[in-house]
Amino acid sequence: GAGVSQTPSNKVTEKGKYVELRCDPISGHTALYWYRQSLGQGPEFLIYFQGTGAADDSGLPNDRFFAVRPEGSVSTLKIQRTERGDSAVYLCASSSTGGATDTQYFGPGTRLTVL
Amino acid sequence: KQEVTQIPAALSVPEGENLVLNCSFTDSAIYNLQWFRQDPGKGLTSLLLIQSSQREQTSGRLNASLDKSSGRSTLYIAASQPGDSATYLCAVYNNNDMRFGAGTRLTVKP
Repeated sequence: GAGVSQTPSNKVTEKGKYVELRCDPISGHTALYWYRQSLGQGPEFLIYFQGTGAADDSGLPNDRFFAVRPEGSVSTLKIQRTERGDSAVYLCASSSTGGATDTQYFGPGTRLTVL
Repeated sequence: KQEVTQIPAALSVPEGENLVLNCSFTDSAIYNLQWFRQDPGKGLTSLLLIQSSQREQTSGRLNASLDKSSGRSTLYIAASQPGDSATYLCAVYNNNDMRFGAGTRLTVKP
């Protein structure tokens, strides 16, 4: 079956602009996660959704970052007033129920470059 | 705060060698530990997941161990192949928060 997909695969924007990154999880997965991966580093947790609600948004770096999952499937990560330091690969993952025994399945990521 | 460290940062071996990748973490209160593989420009692929009550997991040529009390895990790769070349990441999971190490970049030379 289809895995986790993310669009766009690459996004180049200018400092100060607004961007939206999309994640399509595996069908039927209730848990969805966003991570950010800087060059040479492991992914860093941003936010976790259980269904439509953000169960844990403690990883969002500041209020310029926001994510939604209005119907419990597709999620959008929104970044306002982008800064050069936001440049990274943004990864999305989904799991069946979000439990500790669940494997997270990752998408290919969106590479964001802020000029 | 949970810190995850992977040693070495990079490793190059000739084809056929057995090798061990190391992962350590500072807080032993984890639900599970997972090893991932990441190819350049790609997402992460889960290799092995070890629950906190388990000591090891095996899949094919891969064997992962977990010593929760000492905060350590190892990933053993037997009879390495050029196709094993990738970055290997370990991650520990607790309360919806998965913390990753920076990874070990493995190169297996033909």
